[in-house]
Amino acid sequence: AQKITQTQPGMFVQEKEAVTLDCTYDTSDQSYGLFWYKQPSSGEMIFLIYQGSYDEQNATEGRYSLNFQKARKSANLVISASQLGDSAMYFCAMRDSGAGSYQLTFGKGTKLSVIP
Amino acid sequence: DAMVIQNPRYQVTQFGKPVTLSCSQTLNHNVMYWYQQKSSQAPKLLFHYYDKDFNNEADTPDNFQSRRPNTSFCFLDIRSPGLGDAAMYLCATSRVVGGETQYFGPGTRLLVL
Repeated sequence: AQKITQTQPGMFVQEKEAVTLDCTYDTSDQSYGLFWYKQPSSGEMIFLIYQGSYDEQNATEGRYSLNFQKARKSANLVISASQLGDSAMYFCAMRDSGAGSYQLTFGKGTKLSVIP
Repeated sequence: DAMVIQNPRYQVTQFGKPVTLSCSQTLNHNVMYWYQQKSSQAPKLLFHYYDKDFNNEADTPDNFQSRRPNTSFCFLDIRSPGLGDAAMYLCATSRVVGGETQYFGPGTRLLVL
């Protein structure tokens, strides 16, 4: 069974600083995808970034980058130059390519607070 | 802009009174999903449609039903809401099962009195 672990229930970061949100995963599949979503207090789940298990390069999208370490089964999200609008819940999620591959397995989330 | 739309954003219902939540999408995606998210928890998949094929999660209560009359629309029906059904309900879409990013709507917050 797949499992996503986010060990940081809450994080604080100073505005304009970089922050790393941790995510480790467990799967026996060779082919899988890893996602990060942002959920502001309004409730919408906003897709941020995707990393495929066979991707050689770490994914980047603007100020977001994914530090993918396959051997360690970690997929940490790095947010550079934090902004006040980055304050939100952040969920790491995984889907595999096996049976029932439509399902995303989510971690419990990390609440990020950006301090002015 | 292509998007996933949910209506209403907030819904108040009474214990036992049926309620329907709506989701529409302009992305022309084959797959539509319904998730339930309770306070301070991760989203939990209730069911999904791949085109017109309905797939129910094993632990989704019978109280929850869904309809997808066409590609663009999907409805979540809660036949007899209980206090424990108060949650955020999120609709998501993807192009294919298992191979694509899921894009979420803004959610409907359901309150049961």
